[in-house]
Amino acid sequence: QVTLKESGPVLVKPTETLTLTCTVSGFSLSDPAMGVSWIRQPPGKALEWLAQIFSNGDTSYNSSLKRRLTISKDASKSQVVLTMTEMDPVDTATYSCARMRVVFATRATYYYGMDVWGQGTTVTVSS
Amino acid sequence: DIQMTQSPASLSASVGDRVTITCRASQTIDNNLNWYQHKPGRVPTFLIYAASRLQRGVPSRFSGGGSGTDFTLTISSLQPEDFATYYCQHRGTFGPGTRVDIK
Repeated sequence: QVTLKESGPVLVKPTETLTLTCTVSGFSLSDPAMGVSWIRQPPGKALEWLAQIFSNGDTSYNSSLKRRLTISKDASKSQVVLTMTEMDPVDTATYSCARMRVVFATRATYYYGMDVWGQGTTVTVSS
Repeated sequence: DIQMTQSPASLSASVGDRVTITCRASQTIDNNLNWYQHKPGRVPTFLIYAASRLQRGVPSRFSGGGSGTDFTLTISSLQPEDFATYYCQHRGTFGPGTRVDIK
């Protein structure tokens, strides 16, 4: 059974750095067909993709948040870590990680889908 | 960056209705487009990939279409469990969502 579980602080102060951990089971972070994304959803708002990391270590980031985000993985621990600096009250949201799996391929590219999601962890930014 | 838009932002429909949601990309993305369903308090469900291919286990009343910049998600006969918010996604970008409510 594939599961992902987010962990991290419930409350952070403005200007602090948020560190979130996604612990996965049922698949390997070294599997070439797999990756992990972080997504957030502020209260009453839409899903917002933050960052992703692939099995080979390649990363990509939301361009509007890129300077504040770092994603990394430790395959031996089955963990993906996201850090976000300079936290602000507008960053209050539910933060989720999701497995990205290659669901389709052509000669030109791989198509990924977020097929299994963690339950999410709520982070409030307040002094 | 490629921007994704959806229309309508929300709609009200009845059980049994045929519902179509539109997603548009700011530049061509071939058919590299996913759809997700999200219910309050639940994790999102992966519905469709490559614009028109149904993820395993997704009911056949869901279908997707389109290529290039314009895409659709259609529910052929709306069921009570389909009331949710639907998001299109291209790589790292989600659309703003379409909320489907009960009329």
